[in-house]
Amino acid sequence: DVKVTQSSRYLVKRTGEKVFLECVQDMDHENMFWYRQDPGLGLRLIYFSYDVKMKEKGDIPEGYSVSREKKERFSLILESASTNQTSMYLCASTAGENEQYFGPGTRLTVT
Amino acid sequence: SQKIEQNSEALNIQEGKTATLTCNYTNYSPAYLQWYRQDPGRGPVFLLLIRENEKEKRKERLKVTFDTTLKQSLFHITASQPADSATYLCALEYGNKLVFGAGTILRVKS
Repeated sequence: DVKVTQSSRYLVKRTGEKVFLECVQDMDHENMFWYRQDPGLGLRLIYFSYDVKMKEKGDIPEGYSVSREKKERFSLILESASTNQTSMYLCASTAGENEQYFGPGTRLTVT
Repeated sequence: SQKIEQNSEALNIQEGKTATLTCNYTNYSPAYLQWYRQDPGRGPVFLLLIRENEKEKRKERLKVTFDTTLKQSLFHITASQPADSATYLCALEYGNKLVFGAGTILRVKS
């Protein structure tokens, strides 16, 4: 069964902290994505990756960075968390022009 | 940039009726379009993909249409059930990624 897992379901961090969100997929997919979802705004793409050590900026990359050292793992890093980064973070993977498989999401609160 | 519009207001319908959700887009001609279902607190789950050369696609009680002239997709759930209550997202191919709409909440009442 296809699976995308995220390291935490809920996370509370303080302003200025460095935050790591991890995503792992077991489908050998080349492509992985990080989105954030806010009420009324839908899913917005932060970063994506088409291969190991490769990354591309999405629509809202400011304040974020990513790392993909292994094919199955894609990490999102908030270098210095701010309150406007409080959101639901969703990771997804796909093989080419196909459906995206999403993880359960991480609800991050920055206080 | 691509703009996608889905009904921002929730759609409330009676069990057994057909639910119809709308997805309109501008500024682009996508090669394909996808529909996802999202339950509260969970990640979206893929439902259907329809390509630009396909007018209609069906899967069980679901039907999707794609009108590239109107720049619109319609998503139908026939014989709706309370278990169909969820948020439904449309997503358009845009280069090498998907662009998602904000979603429409569907509530099916028994």
